[in-house]
Amino acid sequence: KQEVTQIPAALSVPEGENLVLNCSFTDSAIYNLQWFRQDPGKGLTSLLLIQSSQREQTSGRLNASLDKSSGRSTLYIAASQPGDSATYLCAVKDNNNDMRFGAGTRLTVKP
Amino acid sequence: DAGITQSPRHKVTETGTPVTLRCHQTENHRYMYWYRQDPGHGLRLIHYSYGVKDTDKGEVSDGYSVSRSKTEDFLLTLESATSSQTSVYFCAISEWRGPTDTQYFGPGTRLTVL
Repeated sequence: KQEVTQIPAALSVPEGENLVLNCSFTDSAIYNLQWFRQDPGKGLTSLLLIQSSQREQTSGRLNASLDKSSGRSTLYIAASQPGDSATYLCAVKDNNNDMRFGAGTRLTVKP
Repeated sequence: DAGITQSPRHKVTETGTPVTLRCHQTENHRYMYWYRQDPGHGLRLIHYSYGVKDTDKGEVSDGYSVSRSKTEDFLLTLESATSSQTSVYFCAISEWRGPTDTQYFGPGTRLTVL
């Protein structure tokens, strides 16, 4: 059974700082990995999706990397802003359409 | 939001009563999913559908049933609600581009079982 872990559970940084969120998974036989953002009381917003054959994806100030062999993915946020404050979730999908989520990292960017 | 709506958005019910949650999508996506989100557990898959009348169980399917009689609607039913089913329920769809899919989520339904 795939297990997905996100460390740290919470992170607080000053505005403008670059930061990295970590996601690790136990089974490297994945189909894809997706990063989401969730604001309090809201649904999930898809940020980036990395296929199993890819190493990274970029969207604006966000960059996600994938290293299947080590079971790790990182989400890099450049020049953080208070509006980036949210919980960030990673989810790993296997070849049987089973998607497993991490518990998330709650990010606070202080003005 | 990929045209996903959920109803109701909030519901309070009593133990033992039946409850049906509805997910509606407007973009003809084949795959639809129901998740629940609980503190300490993250999101867990309850059931999913890969077409009209085609459904399969997820990680936490006990106590839940689903139906999909039309492409646009995916219903989640709690036949006899229990307090352990108090949760936030999210519907999602898969949007396929080439060889892979991206999941998009609805706004969620907060269910409280007293």
